Amino acid sequence: AQKITQTQPGMFVQEKEAVTLDCTYDTSDPSYGLFWYKQPSSGEMIFLIYQGSYDQQNATEGRYSLNFQKARKSANLVISASQLGDSAMYFCAMREMFGNEKLTFGTGTRLTIIP
Amino acid sequence: NAGVTQTPKFRILKIGQSMTLQCAQDMNHNYMYWYRQDPGMGLKLIYYSVGAGITDKGEVPNGYNVSRSTTEDFPLRLELAAPSQTSVYFCASSPRTEPGNTIYFGEGSWLTVV
Repeated sequence: AQKITQTQPGMFVQEKEAVTLDCTYDTSDPSYGLFWYKQPSSGEMIFLIYQGSYDQQNATEGRYSLNFQKARKSANLVISASQLGDSAMYFCAMREMFGNEKLTFGTGTRLTIIP
Repeated sequence: NAGVTQTPKFRILKIGQSMTLQCAQDMNHNYMYWYRQDPGMGLKLIYYSVGAGITDKGEVPNGYNVSRSTTEDFPLRLELAAPSQTSVYFCASSPRTEPGNTIYFGEGSWLTVV
């Protein structure tokens, strides 16, 4: 079964608009973490934001926020006031506490910001 | 700050050749990982290690081998390279098993098998 699902292969957004990138996950582990990474065209993986399964509040990091809906197993990334430099691939990932320690990635969403 | 260092950054291999991708981290992290990323896809785990002397298979281990003789180093060996191994390889490390500890990635190694 797919652990991490990103249903938007690509998105185009006007500069300065907000954008939501969808991510749903599947786990039976009570303790897990959800991550978002940005991968620009240069290829490196840049950590953006983290949400723990027991965190009561949604995580925020500057223009990034994570809309965590635990019952729906959803962890959407919201980017406010998008900038041209936000154009990149975005990956949602999950790390489960028990079993193994790997980070499982979704297939990614390619975000393009239009001037 | 070096972080996670991968070498080489680019390499072209002929079918049937072997090579080793080097990975070193200077953060004293217990956990290390090798991922591959095929074009337009997410990352898939090849092998991982929870400490020196301990390694385990990930999702796509066939055609690869690893060793972890020290905390710092986690080399990935490709034996008998095949075109299907053309990919970008990422090494990563993490301090502990708690879910909130982020994983630090190297800059990637671009491998082409022809």
